[in-house]
Amino acid sequence: DTAVSQTPKYLVTQMGNDKSIKCEQNLGHDTMYWYKQDSKKFLKIMFSYNNKELIINETVPNRFSPKSPDKAHLNLHINSLELGDSAVYFCASSQDRLAQWGETQYFGPGTRLLVL
Amino acid sequence: QQQVKQSPQSLIVQKGGISIINCAYENTAFDYFPWYQQFPGKGPALLIAIRPDVSEKKEGRFTISFNKSAKQFSLHIMDSQPGDSATYFCAATWDTGGFKTIFGAGTRLFVKA
Repeated sequence: DTAVSQTPKYLVTQMGNDKSIKCEQNLGHDTMYWYKQDSKKFLKIMFSYNNKELIINETVPNRFSPKSPDKAHLNLHINSLELGDSAVYFCASSQDRLAQWGETQYFGPGTRLLVL
Repeated sequence: QQQVKQSPQSLIVQKGGISIINCAYENTAFDYFPWYQQFPGKGPALLIAIRPDVSEKKEGRFTISFNKSAKQFSLHIMDSQPGDSATYFCAATWDTGGFKTIFGAGTRLFVKA
């Protein structure tokens, strides 16, 4: 029954490895997002997809590549992991792409990534 | 210009007291101001939100006060309870062709029993 789910919940890996985080939403929403929350709890948007189309692409290293196979899924692949990539990554979804009144984003539980 | 400045960083309030968190912004294109609540180990969840054409919105013990001319808004939690202990984020959203949200740095609230 989880609205937005992410796997894995925890990810510990070595520098230089490649890893993926998966996200799925069962809310029927059209738009999905990836956010990064650093150790100081600062939340920053990375990407947004609307119906499988990339609509927001913030200044993120190109080692990060999102992929949306369908509008219910948005995965994040990270190449050549670095120490600074250690953070909590949140997936979120919203009904529409526009900041309409009443619109809200539903966040997943987060994936805690630790790069050693 | 795309920042939302939030204060204080942390806040300790006695049970039953009023918790006040303040935010300020510069970008006049922002058109929606949500507040999110995040408990440890969980994702943020929408608490309450306001549009800039409204000066105040109240939902239960939570009230947003909005001052458009000063570009400031604040969250008041009345009768604060230990269960309110969490991190609170103010945010601002605008339409850039996508639903883009900028978050404040967060306020860690601790309500003492």
